[in-house]
Amino acid sequence: DTAVSQTPKYLVTQMGNDKSIKCEQNLGHDTMYWYKQDSKKFLKIMFSYNNKELIINETVPNRFSPKSPDKAHLNLHINSLELGDSAVYFCASSQDQRLAGSTDTQYFGPGTRLTVL
Amino acid sequence: GQSLEQPSEVTAVEGAIVQINCTYQTSGFYGLSWYQQHDGGAPTFLSYNALDGLEETGRFSSFLSRSDSYGYLLLQELQMKDSASYFCAVLMDSNYQLIWGAGTKLIIKP
Repeated sequence: DTAVSQTPKYLVTQMGNDKSIKCEQNLGHDTMYWYKQDSKKFLKIMFSYNNKELIINETVPNRFSPKSPDKAHLNLHINSLELGDSAVYFCASSQDQRLAGSTDTQYFGPGTRLTVL
Repeated sequence: GQSLEQPSEVTAVEGAIVQINCTYQTSGFYGLSWYQQHDGGAPTFLSYNALDGLEETGRFSSFLSRSDSYGYLLLQELQMKDSASYFCAVLMDSNYQLIWGAGTKLIIKP
């Protein structure tokens, strides 16, 4: 059973299009994340979502929006795709970090390789 | 701003011991984590230090000195499968998000 799953695994699209990436976790975690990893392997947090509290990295363009239909899902919508959006996007989940005694273990999905042409 | 420094690449021989250092300058700090990522794969959690000292998990150990803003990952009895990138990451106490280093590519030679 996959703990954190993402679809699609690969996404190739044209500039200007709108696309979505889906993420689901079956670990019962309270917090989910979206990361972007560029070609130089820099991992950058984009969003974290905990019990309907959204924390946004201020450098993320507003073309990116997370949507959480329930605690087990956090989808990423991207509007007006640009060439610079090409990267691997990882979804992750963890227990609520604010709980006493919790350790920092984030479980990552397999990643979605987005290529914008 | 927030910054984490780690070497970009380290080379070691199979069966040897290697240490990957990480220094950080962040506006807050809750703990230091280490993750492993194989090429084409996802990051996987290795260890976490919230307090000073050494944490040991099998062949891997991680150390933290909060006063020095410094930590390291120690890998013993290196195996070819340990060839991967290793990331240190600071868990921020303000928003519980991870700030990541640029990663260290570990190359293991037979």
